[in-house]
Amino acid sequence: DAKTTQPPSMDCAEGRAANLPCNHSTISGNEYVYWYRQIHSQGPQYIIHGLKNNETNEMASLIITEDRKSSTLILPHATLRDTAVYYCIVRVEGGSNYKLTFGKGTLLTVNP
Amino acid sequence: GAGVSQSPRYKVAKRGQDVALRCDPISGHVSLFWYQQALGQGPEFLTYFQNEAQLDKSGLPSDRFFAERPEGSVSTLKIQRTQQEDSAVYLCASSSVLREQRIRAGELFFGEGSRLTVL
Repeated sequence: DAKTTQPPSMDCAEGRAANLPCNHSTISGNEYVYWYRQIHSQGPQYIIHGLKNNETNEMASLIITEDRKSSTLILPHATLRDTAVYYCIVRVEGGSNYKLTFGKGTLLTVNP
Repeated sequence: GAGVSQSPRYKVAKRGQDVALRCDPISGHVSLFWYQQALGQGPEFLTYFQNEAQLDKSGLPSDRFFAERPEGSVSTLKIQRTQQEDSAVYLCASSSVLREQRIRAGELFFGEGSRLTVL
């Protein structure tokens, strides 16, 4: 699986958009970009994933650059409960690639 | 319960003791994973079960680590002769999807973990 690079920490004001970047310059054509988050003392939780197109769900939006070498997770209106470590993971779907390989992620702190 | 349940939530062991950590996956989930998460790090894969079969144990750090899932539901991670470097959170995750099938994002459900502290 391709490696990802994320900033170790970010701050965001409550109610504002949080934009979390991820670099994955060695991503392969069949690798998806996944985002998980881990709130303190909890297990990781799936947020969103995508291949090429931008994706949106009830939790967040995922913007993937045209060359797919980087992506941004957007939390449109961050709340205090969004304070967590956010993990960007690239992985081929299916087959023997059933494992998730986590990096260190980005600690997002949402401030009141 | 509706989610993955792990017990104990917290365990303190003296160096050299054996510990056992339990995972109750979501009912009907055939796939079960164990991860280890050291302080300040992301979770690292330990082992994978499909029903009762342990198909991948490549992440187990030493032969002191042993996992089982004898009836294809509850799983136990056992650590023998614990060392200080074993101190970590041990996460269990389950999925309804077989390894050979397309594991779509969102189908891996994690428990809250068991925090092991070895003194």
